[in-house]
Amino acid sequence: SAVISQKPSRDICQRGTSLTIQCQVDSQVTMMFWYRQQPGQSLTLIATANQGSEATYESGFVIDKFPISRPNLTFSTLTVSNMSPEDSSIYLCSVEDVRTVNTEAFFGQGTRLTVV
Amino acid sequence: AQSVAQPEDQVNVAEGNPLTVKCTYSVSGNPYLFWYVQYPNRGLQFLLKYITGDNLVKGSYGFEAEFNKSQTSFHLKKPSALVSDSALYFCAVRDDNTDKLIFGTGTRLQVFP
Repeated sequence: SAVISQKPSRDICQRGTSLTIQCQVDSQVTMMFWYRQQPGQSLTLIATANQGSEATYESGFVIDKFPISRPNLTFSTLTVSNMSPEDSSIYLCSVEDVRTVNTEAFFGQGTRLTVV
Repeated sequence: AQSVAQPEDQVNVAEGNPLTVKCTYSVSGNPYLFWYVQYPNRGLQFLLKYITGDNLVKGSYGFEAEFNKSQTSFHLKKPSALVSDSALYFCAVRDDNTDKLIFGTGTRLQVFP
C-alpha cells in the first residue's frame, strides 16, 4: 500500500483567496485523484491528475476553479481558487497503483478547509 | 449506471455486541465492491473488497463483509464491536465502464461502552 502525505491538514481562509493543497506519495503510482467531501456528505470526484498534461475534470468542476498540477508520478497539487464559504469541505488526495476494476484506492488524511 | 446505497445514516451498538452496516448495490456487470472507514480528522482507510470467489470476505480490524448476489447486498459485519470502531463507514463500487469508484453516502457507527 502507498503512504500518502497531504498538507496542509487544515486551514481557515478568507473568501476570495486561494489555497494550494499538496499530495506526496512514497512510491510511483499510475493514477492520482482529487475528491471533495462536503460536510455530512459522501465523496465526490473532482478530477484525475494526469502526469505531464492537463487534469481530467468531472462534470461540475472546472480548471479555473480547481487548477491541478502533477509534475511527476509521486506529487500533485490542487488549488481551490477564489474561495467562497461553499468551498468549505474536506479535500482528499487518492492514488491507485494500477487502474483495474479490482484494485483498491488509497487516500491521504485530507485537508479540512473552512472559508470565512 | 452503477450505484451503492447505504440506507442507515447512523448505527448504534453496544460494545461487545455484533454490528452490521448495510450496503446495497446496483451494477450492470460484475460487482467490484469495497468498504472504507474514516476516523475523525483522517482520510479513508481501505477495509476489504469483494472481487469474486467466496461470498464472505475478511478484512482489516476483524471486519468481514457478506456478498449476497440475490439481494444485491454487501453488508459489513463484525462479531464483537469495540468503542474504537466508532467511525464513518463508506461502501463503494467500481464502475466497470469508467473504472471510477462510486461511494455511498456513508454510515456513522457509534459503539457505546
